[in-house]
Amino acid sequence: DQQVKQNSPSLSVQEGRISILNCDYTNSMFDYFLWYKKYPAEGPTFLISISSIKDKNEDGRFTVFLNKSAKHLSLHIVPSQPGDSAVYFCAASGGSQGNLIFGKGTKLSVKP
Amino acid sequence: GAGVSQSPSNKVTEKGKDVELRCDPISGHTALYWYRQSLGQGLEFLIYFQGNSAPDKSGLPSDRFSAERTGGSVSTLTIQRTQQEDSAVYLCASSLLGNNYGYTFGSGTRLTVV
Repeated sequence: DQQVKQNSPSLSVQEGRISILNCDYTNSMFDYFLWYKKYPAEGPTFLISISSIKDKNEDGRFTVFLNKSAKHLSLHIVPSQPGDSAVYFCAASGGSQGNLIFGKGTKLSVKP
Repeated sequence: GAGVSQSPSNKVTEKGKDVELRCDPISGHTALYWYRQSLGQGLEFLIYFQGNSAPDKSGLPSDRFSAERTGGSVSTLTIQRTQQEDSAVYLCASSLLGNNYGYTFGSGTRLTVV
């Protein structure tokens, strides 16, 4: 059973607009959440993270929001740029897990 | 090295053959992880090494899969009697002190079983 879910396999956004990528989780023991970005033929790279004691973390154009009661987090990219086109993975850690649990990813396409 | 190195980058093998995939982590990183990404799937956890502790093998899909980490550095993932469903990109990551938010991934090995 998937503990981390990204229900949108793809998202297309116009350059300059906001991209919103969503992620849901089921394990209430998760206490740290991360977003990774992956280009084709490369390994995932860390983008931004958030601890469960916070509800927002911002880094430049990237902001992650956490809603613990809904077990939901989202990544906002604004303004979106063509170079942001990649697959974005949501990941979680905590509880008895010694490793990160990843979602299936969302492929973002930013059109010029 | 500066990053996590994986070899080979691509491997095509015949069904039934054994394969070995290598991961050279970042020097000083005590934790090493193997994941795989099958077509259209997310990153599936396989195995996790942390220092001298016994590895967490809970993600290995069958007993045809095994991994070892020699001297706390280089790791080898071995798949015996490969099947077509083993075709995937196998990704290795390392982190300092098992820090879950400090993973550095390699570029992966694309395995194709024909």
